[in-house]
Order: sequence, then C-alpha cells, then structure tokens
Amino acid sequence: EDQVTQSPEALRLQEGESSSLNCSYTVSGLRGLFWYRQDPGKGPEFLFTLYSAGEEKEKERLKATLTKKESFLHITAPKPEDSATYLCAVHTNDYKLSFGAGTTVTVRA
Amino acid sequence: KAGVTQTPRYLIKTRGQQVTLSCSPISGHRSVSWYQQTPGQGLQFLFEYFSETQRNKGNFPGRFSGRQFSNSRSEMNVSTLELGDSALYLCASSGGAGRETQYFGPGTRLLVL
Repeated sequence: EDQVTQSPEALRLQEGESSSLNCSYTVSGLRGLFWYRQDPGKGPEFLFTLYSAGEEKEKERLKATLTKKESFLHITAPKPEDSATYLCAVHTNDYKLSFGAGTTVTVRA
Repeated sequence: KAGVTQTPRYLIKTRGQQVTLSCSPISGHRSVSWYQQTPGQGLQFLFEYFSETQRNKGNFPGRFSGRQFSNSRSEMNVSTLELGDSALYLCASSGGAGRETQYFGPGTRLLVL
C-alpha cells in the first residue's frame, strides 16, 4: 500500500530561522511528487512538482528536492506569512494523489 | 484563468439526510478528483472522473458517489449522512493525462448534526 510520511508534525520557527521539512514515501510507481501549502479553512495551494531523483525547484524562500525515497522542502529565512500547513503528495500509477498528514509551520516575528 | 470553484461553501445537515456538492474545474481541464479532509484522517481520496467516467475510487462506502457531466463539471453525493461525514470536501482538477498537477478548489465545509 502507498505510504507518505511527513515530519515533523509541527515546526515553530523564529523569523529568519531556516529549516527543512521531510516527506518520505513508499509507492508502487511514482508518477510525481507534489508540495502544497494550505492555510486554515482553505483548499491546498500548489507549490511544486518533482518527477525524478535529483530534481530541484525553487520559489521565493522555498526550495524542494527529491531523492528516490524522500523529498525535502527547505524554507530559507522564513517570514510570518510562510506560516501554513505544508502537504506532500505522491501521484501513483492509478491517477490518484496520496497525501501525507502535513507539517504545520508557525513563524514568529 | 478562473480557478476551481465549489458550491456551496458551507452546509449544515442532519443525520440521515443526503447532500450534493458541486465542482466546476479550470477551463480546459477534463479530470476532476474529490477528496475528504478531516483533522483525524487528513486528506483522503474519494474518486476521480475523466470524460464522464470514473477512473479510480478510494476506500469509501457506497453512500459516497459522484458523476461528471459533458462540460467536465462534477457533483458528488453523500446519502444517509452520518456524524463522521463532517469534513472539508475538496475538489481538484487537472488535464487528465496523469502525472499532472491537480489544482484545488476552496472546498465545501459540511457539518452533520
């Protein structure tokens, strides 16, 4: 069965304090790994798609990387507006997304 | 380009009733997926439709059903509501070829009393 595990569950950062979120996965056939950001009461907002090991994507203070078994979301010099739940999902061979439980990031000014 | 829209945004129902939720995908997208999000279970896949056909289904009871129309708009129906059906129901759309990014709507918040 496909499994996606995110760690840590929660992360409290001081503004400017860089950190990384982890997403490890076990799937039968990876067709892509996705990172989303979700604010309370809203739908997930797309951030990145990664398809193959070694691939990296960047957007403002966020950088996502992918290996054969896990992905990392690096947050560099975070600001309070980066506070959100970050979700990792894997797209498997049968056209569905399997999500991890998410990491809730809180950035204090 | 307009995003994914879902209606209604909020619903309150009582146990035993049924409910229908609607989703309009991004223009040009032919695949619509539905997810249930709860604090305890996270985001769970319900089903996916492409060109009016269900291509995949998650592990939910038969009370949960859906359909897709020729204009790619989709509806999901939950019959005989239970308290545990209270959740945020999310719809996502994509082109439908697989490996593609799914873009989510704002969700419908369902509360079952």
